[in-house]
Amino acid sequence: GAVVSQHPSWVICKSGTSVKIECRSLDFQATTMFWYRQFPKQSLMLMATSNEGSKATYEQGVEKDKFLINHASLTLSTLTVTSAHPEDSSFYICSARVGLAEDTQYFGPGTRLTVL
Amino acid sequence: AQSVTQLGSHVSVSEGALVLLRCNYSSSVPPYLFWYVQYPNQGLQLLLKYTTGATLVKGINGFEAEFKKSETSFHLTKPSAHMSDAAEYFCAVSDTYGGSQGNLIFGKGTKLSVKP
Repeated sequence: GAVVSQHPSWVICKSGTSVKIECRSLDFQATTMFWYRQFPKQSLMLMATSNEGSKATYEQGVEKDKFLINHASLTLSTLTVTSAHPEDSSFYICSARVGLAEDTQYFGPGTRLTVL
Repeated sequence: AQSVTQLGSHVSVSEGALVLLRCNYSSSVPPYLFWYVQYPNQGLQLLLKYTTGATLVKGINGFEAEFKKSETSFHLTKPSAHMSDAAEYFCAVSDTYGGSQGNLIFGKGTKLSVKP
């Protein structure tokens, strides 16, 4: 079946540093990748949608200069949290979609970011 | 705006007992509804979906859900719980199916525990 991986699975960093999270579709090419953020006991919230070779589309309230998304190939998208602060600590989840329908969206296992 | 409410952040059942996970939604247009399951350290997996047609939908692992428009509900059930069903379950709604943007709205999730 379709598998999406994320690396790293967890990361701890100091305030002010930047952190890069990778999302890979291992056995399929993804036309679209999505990034979600999940705070404890909260819903997954969509941050941005990215199509290969295009600029990401960010949801309202998400700072595009802080959360840099690069979708350089059909199997890799990266999320860079720039100048991270403690309030950026969260669980970041990516998903990759092989077609247009929502049920062709496959999710990665998530990355736990803790900013000290 | 769409929203999803999952009643009960934690549900505990005995092995062999009925599983009932509740999901209510709000949507101004006919909704598309989904249930996902997340096992520890894994990505969300699609359990089942409702798009159109029969309101009782069957998914993987013996789960099913019924779309009740009058009650704006999409509760997930399984007649007999198994230890392997222990996981976190997310209900999601979308106002489109097959669109080019990510538009899944998730509930906060319900953690299911199964007692021997």
